[in-house]
Parts: sequence; C-alpha cells; structure tokens
Amino acid sequence: QQKVQQSPESLIVPEGGMASLNCTFSDRNSQYFWWYRQHSGEGPKALMSIFSNGDKKEGRFTAHLNKASLHVSLHIKDSQPSDSALYFCAVSGNTGYQNFYFGKGTSLTVIP
Amino acid sequence: ETAVFQTPNYHVTQVGNEVSFNCKQTLGHDTMYWYKQDSKKLLKIMFSYNNKQLIVNETVPRRFSPQSSDKAHLNLRIKSVEPEDSAVYLCASRRDWAYEQYFGPGTRLTVL
Repeated sequence: QQKVQQSPESLIVPEGGMASLNCTFSDRNSQYFWWYRQHSGEGPKALMSIFSNGDKKEGRFTAHLNKASLHVSLHIKDSQPSDSALYFCAVSGNTGYQNFYFGKGTSLTVIP
Repeated sequence: ETAVFQTPNYHVTQVGNEVSFNCKQTLGHDTMYWYKQDSKKLLKIMFSYNNKQLIVNETVPRRFSPQSSDKAHLNLRIKSVEPEDSAVYLCASRRDWAYEQYFGPGTRLTVL
C-alpha cells in the first residue's frame, strides 16, 4: 500500500522567509500530486497540483516533483502570517477511487 | 454557490447513542468520501462512494455506515458511538482521477 511521508512535522519561519516542505511516496505508479492547506477550523483545500517532473510555480508557491526519487516538495517564498496552517501532501494513481493518499501533514507557523 | 456542505458543525453526545451527519455537494462530482481527522490531525479515509459502488476502508468499525440517496449526498451514520469516535468528520467529493478532492468544513463530534 502507498506510503506518503512528510517532513518536517512542524516548521517555524519568520515573515518574509522561505518555507520548504517535503513529501516522499512509495508507489512508483503514482501520477497525480497535490498540496493541500488546512487552516484551523476549516476543511483542507487544494493549494496546487503537479503532475510532471520539474517545477511548477504559482505566485509565491513553487512545487517540485521528482518521480524517480519519489519526492515532491513545496516551497513558499516571502511567507506571510496567513500562510500559517497545516499542509498536506496528497498522492493519487489512476486505479480505484480509494487510491488517494494523504501524508501526516506539516504544521507551518509564520512569525511576524 | 457550488461547494461541499456539512451539517451539523458540532455534535456532543453520550456513549452508546446513534448519530447521523449529512453531506451534500453541489459540484456535480461523481465520487464522494468520508474522512476522520483525529486529534493529531491525521486524515483517515473511511468510505468512498462512486456510481453506487461503495468502498470501505477495512479498518472502519462496523458501527459506521454511509448512506446515499443520490450522487450529491453521502451521509454518515454511527450506531452506538464510542469515546474514540470523538474527532472531526470531513466529507469530500471528487470529479475524476486527475482531479483534486474538495472538502466540506467538517463536523466535530464529541462523545462524553
């Protein structure tokens, strides 16, 4: 069964700093990858997706995927206090609707 | 407004009681899910439901059962709740393989 692991468990960065979140997965047949963000008291919301090897940039957020090394990462540039949240990595294949796996999350705190 | 809606927001009950939580999605998605998010914020998939096909996570106790009237609704019933059922229950929907899941705001259950 797919294993999705995230690191670090928690991360504290100063406002304006760079936050880097990591995620490894175990199934080489994985095809679709997302980063979710969950603010306190809310449900998780998809932040961005990445499906091809390399970098994908959306504003201050850059996702990086390396399928060969089973690794996906999220980098948040110029971090803001509003970025403080729980971030989940999610991995999916294309067989079975149950085939959608979340990591344990990284808690990000941005200090003003 | 298109989204995933959950009711109630909160529910407090006694051990042994039966509870039922509602979920409705207006996104036109074909697949719906129930997740349990525990105090450590881990997301554990409980059920997925697509085209009347129900997939159950084998670790889910039998006192939990999903109920669907159509593809836009997937309710969750818990017969005889236990203290360990205290958690946030999140409903989600998804369009297809390469698409992300959309989550509702969750229902927080407290079992006394």
